[in-house]
Amino acid sequence: GAGVSQSPSNKVTEKGKDVELRCDPISGHTALYWYRQSLGQGLEFLIYFQGNSAPDKSGLPSDRFSAERTGGSVSTLTIQRTQQEDSAVYLCASSQQGVLNEKLFFGSGTQLSVL
Amino acid sequence: AQSVTQPDIHITVSEGASLELRCNYSYGATPYLFWYVQSPGQGLQLLLKYFSGDTLVQGIKGFEAEFKRSQSSFNLRKPSVHWSDAAEYFCAVGLPNNNAGNMLTFGGGTRLMVKP
Repeated sequence: GAGVSQSPSNKVTEKGKDVELRCDPISGHTALYWYRQSLGQGLEFLIYFQGNSAPDKSGLPSDRFSAERTGGSVSTLTIQRTQQEDSAVYLCASSQQGVLNEKLFFGSGTQLSVL
Repeated sequence: AQSVTQPDIHITVSEGASLELRCNYSYGATPYLFWYVQSPGQGLQLLLKYFSGDTLVQGIKGFEAEFKRSQSSFNLRKPSVHWSDAAEYFCAVGLPNNNAGNMLTFGGGTRLMVKP
């Protein structure tokens, strides 16, 4: 596609429910990142996929968070047993090779609200 | 650990006025430096980046930024602000030779409002 696509754009859920957030990166981009943007906060790194390598999960805040990337393309971020503190904008980004001097292309994000 | 500080959470300027958004970083070495802009309803977009060489870098939309090693700063500037520049601006730093997933550290952002 022309850009990074995320769905849904908004998600309201009840505390304790599971949610799945989807990211469709730019075709051909080998690197995919998930970030979280809480109100008034900077972007917090969550997880990184690069090609067929094992993902870098060092930013995941708890074991309720997981992500997968199928076929080196679409990625799904899953949050189990959601808590109110999970409310944030979840941003996905992709880049061609995953090196520092590359531009990251961001999606518009998924606004998650946990009631 | 690397850190990035954007001291101004909100800034309001009049259309046509000049703009400077501050960014300070904490790092042992000269990092790679970036400014991204997040317009309402849109994803973050890269404005400019600095890796080495000329310390004054030009970006898109008429923005520029100057790297000052002595001050550990990378402030973003624009001589004349347009109403469409109203957005949130993020400074980011990264360590050279670190291509891990958490290679970029973002500042807390500065929300720019433009008065007519």
